[in-house]
Amino acid sequence: NAGVTQTPKFRVLKTGQSMTLLCAQDMNHEYMYWYRQDPGMGLRLIHYSVGEGTTAKGEVPDGYNVSRLKKQNFLLGLESAAPSQTSVYFCASRLTGGNSPLHFGNGTRLTVT
Amino acid sequence: GQQLNQSPQSMFIQEGEDVSMNCTSSSIFNTWLWYKQDPGEGPVLLIALYKAGELTSNGRLTAQFGITRKDSFLNISASIPSDVGIYFCAGLNWDNRKLIWGLGTSLAVNP
Repeated sequence: NAGVTQTPKFRVLKTGQSMTLLCAQDMNHEYMYWYRQDPGMGLRLIHYSVGEGTTAKGEVPDGYNVSRLKKQNFLLGLESAAPSQTSVYFCASRLTGGNSPLHFGNGTRLTVT
Repeated sequence: GQQLNQSPQSMFIQEGEDVSMNCTSSSIFNTWLWYKQDPGEGPVLLIALYKAGELTSNGRLTAQFGITRKDSFLNISASIPSDVGIYFCAGLNWDNRKLIWGLGTSLAVNP
């Protein structure tokens, strides 16, 4: 039981390049989330999904797209990376119940030059 | 976006001391969560609180869900060097879909 797995762990992009971050969970969780974490800003929600085939915008969705084609996977895409997207990205998942906490992956550190 | 008011922002203490941090909100929450994040890793759940007034312990950690449902505190007793990290509070919002986060309390422990 691996929990929440994020790939890759590190990536360096040039401005304008695109990439996809993959999140996979093996806990049969319905809800999945993508956050970015920047110094002094805490965790900010980018997009989230409440089930397979559905996605919704969080606080800071601009410049990102997501897809949830399979229940266990939640992909975060950057179509044209910008230096402002340099950050640590965390994926998380949870069950639907009000008393179910979030389980996090170990993060992807992205640098855009 | 909405955030919780978490304080203090940082703490530097001696090993063996007790630590207290808290979070407040202008909104009511039905669930309060406390997470710890070690460098280079994702946040890990420490304690979950589901009922107003609830006091829950996990080893040397104790957390309480405020009676007004608008605040929570976390205490760490007899701190040790491995307590170093960033502690986050989070509240589950009204539709039970999104968590609202504090900005974290950074804890440093001097051996």
